[in-house]
Formats: sequence, C-alpha cells, structure tokens
Amino acid sequence: DAKTTQPPSMDCAEGRAANLPCNHSTISGNEYVYWYRQIHSQGPQYIIHGLKNNETNEMASLIITEDRKSSTLILPHATLRDTAVYYCIVRALNSGNTPLVFGKGTRLSVIA
Amino acid sequence: SAVISQKPSRDICQRGTSLTIQCQVDSQVTMMFWYRQQPGQSLTLIATANQGSEATYESGFVIDKFPISRPNLTFSTLTVSNMSPEDSSIYLCSVGPFRAGAQYFGPGTRLLVL
Repeated sequence: DAKTTQPPSMDCAEGRAANLPCNHSTISGNEYVYWYRQIHSQGPQYIIHGLKNNETNEMASLIITEDRKSSTLILPHATLRDTAVYYCIVRALNSGNTPLVFGKGTRLSVIA
Repeated sequence: SAVISQKPSRDICQRGTSLTIQCQVDSQVTMMFWYRQQPGQSLTLIATANQGSEATYESGFVIDKFPISRPNLTFSTLTVSNMSPEDSSIYLCSVGPFRAGAQYFGPGTRLLVL
C-alpha cells in the first residue's frame, strides 16, 4: 500500500470548514483513498473513501486531485464533536482481506 | 456496516496475570483483526483472525503472548498473557471487508497493568 503524509495537527474554528490534506504521491492506479477518524477513547470510525472522483456523504467531502497524488477531506461546518485524529489510508480495493495500516494521522482541534 | 461490541470495556490487572478480551459482531464477517494502541500512539496490528484457521501474527507479536480464538464468523477472543505494565494499551477489534473494502472497529478495551 502507498504511504501517506499528513500534518500532525490542525486547528479549526467551530462552524468553519475544516480542510485536512493528505499526500499520497506513490499511489497506484487501483488504490483507493480512505479516511477514518478516532475520537478520544473510541474506536476508529470510517468516514469516506474514493478512487479518483470527488465524493460526498453525510459526514464529509473528499476531493482528490486529478493526478491522484493528494487529497483533501472537508468537514463543511466543523463542530466541537469533530475534534479527533484523522487518518488518511491508501490501499487497493482487492486487498479487502488485509487489514488497514494506520499512520500517525492529523490531530484536528475544533475551537469554540 | 456492522455493530461491534467488546468486553470488557476496561480493566485494571496485576502483572503476571492474563486477560481475555471478547469481540462480538452482529453479522457474519470474513476477517477479524486485532489492534493495539499504546498511549499517545497510532494503531498497531497484532494479528488477523480468519475463521477455521490459525491467526496470522505481525512481526513483534507471538501466539504465546497473544493467543486468539475465532470459533465462528461473529466472535473472536484475544488473550493478553503474563501481562506487564508495557501491555497497558487500548485493544481494538476490527472487521471487514465491507463495501469497497471498508473496515469497522469496536469501541476498544482499555487495559491498565499495574
């Protein structure tokens, strides 16, 4: 699986959009970008995933650059409950029987 | 998705003892994974448990220390044996794959070894 690079921490004002970047310059053509988050004292939570098109669900939007070497997770209106560590993970679709490998992630602090 | 529960949610144990953590899923799943998260760290995979076969352990983890059972498609246990303070961590059960390869996680078991 390709390696990802994320900033260690970010702050965001409550009610504003939180934009979390991820670099994955060695991503392969069959690899998806997954985002998970871990709120303090809880298990990681799946947020969203994408291959090359931008994706949106009830939690967030995922913007993937045309060359697929980077992506941005957008929380459109951050709340205090969005304070968590966010993990960007790249892996092939057909590796579903292999476990996710977590990096250090980005610690997002949403400030009132 | 899947609903995953773990027991116990937390425990405080004495060194030299063992603790068995249970993971229950509300649907049949192919793969179950056990992770450890030491204080302030990211998640580290301990082993992969497939029903009907021996668990596969990652480098640095051995069956004698972390025996795993997977008796059916909805349940697994992880035992932390002969515990030391260095085993104080959160232990997480995870299952998959689901749609497009997503994995889901249990709430974790917080272990403190004195």
